[in-house]
Amino acid sequence: GQNIDQPTEMTATEGAIVQINCTYQTSGFNGLFWYQQHAGEAPTFLSYNVLDGLEEKGRFSSFLSRSKGYSYLLLKELQMKDSASYLCAVIGNQGGKLIFGQGTELSVKP
Amino acid sequence: DVKVTQSSRYLVKRTGEKVFLECVQDMDHENMFWYRQDPGLGLRLIYFSYDVKMKEKGDIPEGYSVSREKKERFSLILESASTNQTSMYLCASSSTTSSGRSYEQYFGPGTRLTVT
Repeated sequence: GQNIDQPTEMTATEGAIVQINCTYQTSGFNGLFWYQQHAGEAPTFLSYNVLDGLEEKGRFSSFLSRSKGYSYLLLKELQMKDSASYLCAVIGNQGGKLIFGQGTELSVKP
Repeated sequence: DVKVTQSSRYLVKRTGEKVFLECVQDMDHENMFWYRQDPGLGLRLIYFSYDVKMKEKGDIPEGYSVSREKKERFSLILESASTNQTSMYLCASSSTTSSGRSYEQYFGPGTRLTVT
């Protein structure tokens, strides 16, 4: 079967760093996405990894290890507006179809 | 700027009614998707389409059908709405390209459907 696991909830303090992990087992691998979703809104693109290593984009970074079936999203200098759900999604063998994890609800506290 | 629109943000229907949810994208994308999102269950794929007049079942197609008569439009149909179909419905589109970030999905704002 196909499975993507990420923690359900996380809490962090404003200004801190938080790492959200994602592990996956899928039929094939053609890339991994991270999306951000604020309550009541649509998911929006954050990052994309297809090769091993770290992709950095401002306060957000994403890491991928294909051999371990593992990714993480790193958020630095947390702000209150970063409180949202973070979705990990993998493209498997069926081109175009994303397999989503259940999402990690991040709460940033003052 | 890429855009995916959905016909309604909020919809209230009665049990047994036929419900149409419309999705339109202006990016000339080949692929279109319908998801529902429920607390604790994440995004679940209902149906998707790779081309006009083409459809494939996702993970939870029961109780739903779809229509794609034009490339830019993908409709989700609830033949006879039931209370367990109360949910947030999200439409998305993507392009099949050979460049980076192939298959990135762009989402519409969602339709919150309540069936009473």
